[in-house]
Amino acid sequence: DVVLTQTPVAQPVTLGDQASISCRSSQSLVHSNGNTYLEWYLQKPGQSPQLLIYKVSNRFSGVPDRFIGSGSGSDFTLKISRVEPEDLGVYYCFQATHDPFTFGSGTKLEIK
Amino acid sequence: QVQLKESGPGLVQPSQTLSLTCTVSGLSLTSNSVSWIRQPPGKGLEWMGVIWSNGGTDYNSAIKSRLSISRDTSKSQVFLKMNSLQTEDTAMYFCASDFAYWGQGTLVTVSS
Repeated sequence: DVVLTQTPVAQPVTLGDQASISCRSSQSLVHSNGNTYLEWYLQKPGQSPQLLIYKVSNRFSGVPDRFIGSGSGSDFTLKISRVEPEDLGVYYCFQATHDPFTFGSGTKLEIK
Repeated sequence: QVQLKESGPGLVQPSQTLSLTCTVSGLSLTSNSVSWIRQPPGKGLEWMGVIWSNGGTDYNSAIKSRLSISRDTSKSQVFLKMNSLQTEDTAMYFCASDFAYWGQGTLVTVSS
C-alpha cells in the first residue's frame, strides 16, 4: 500500500503568517493516465473533512487563493498564506492513484 | 446543492454485521462515485471502499473480506455492509461523493 508521510505532525503558527505542510509518498502518484490524484483536506473540530485541493494544485470551489498546492511525483506541499482563525484544524493529504487509496496521518495547524 | 447523509445503528454487538445507508441528493449515482471512509475516535482517516459511477467497486485490501458496497440508483442510496465487527471497528463512518462532497458522518460503536 502507498504510505503518505506528512510533516510536521503539528504546526504552531501565528495568525497572519504562512504555514507549510509536506506530504511525501512511498511511490510516485502519477497515474497511468497521466494525472496525479493527490488531494488535500481540512478537518475542523467536530466536522467532516472538507476538500481544499485536488489533483495536486487545483483549488476546490469556494476555497480561498491563500491555499496553494504544489509538487510532483512523490513530493507535495500545501502552503497557507496569511493564516486565519478558520484555517485551524487537521490537514490530511490523500492519494487516489493507487488502490487501496490512502490518507496521510494528518498535520494539526494550531495557534502558536 | 449536493448533500449526503449517513444513517444506521449507533450500536452494534461484536461479531455482528454493520449496515449503513448513504442517501444522496443533488447528484446522480450514475455520474458520480461514492466512497466510504471511517475515523476511529481521536485518530486519522481510513478509506474503506468506493462504488464507481458504472457500478464497479474497489475495496481496501485490509477489510475487503468483510466489506460490501452496493447501491440503489432509483433511491439515490449507497449501502455499506461489513461483517464480523470488533471493538476496533468503532468509528465515525462517512460517505463522500467524488472525494469532494462529504456527509456529516454517523458514529458506530461496537460493544456488547
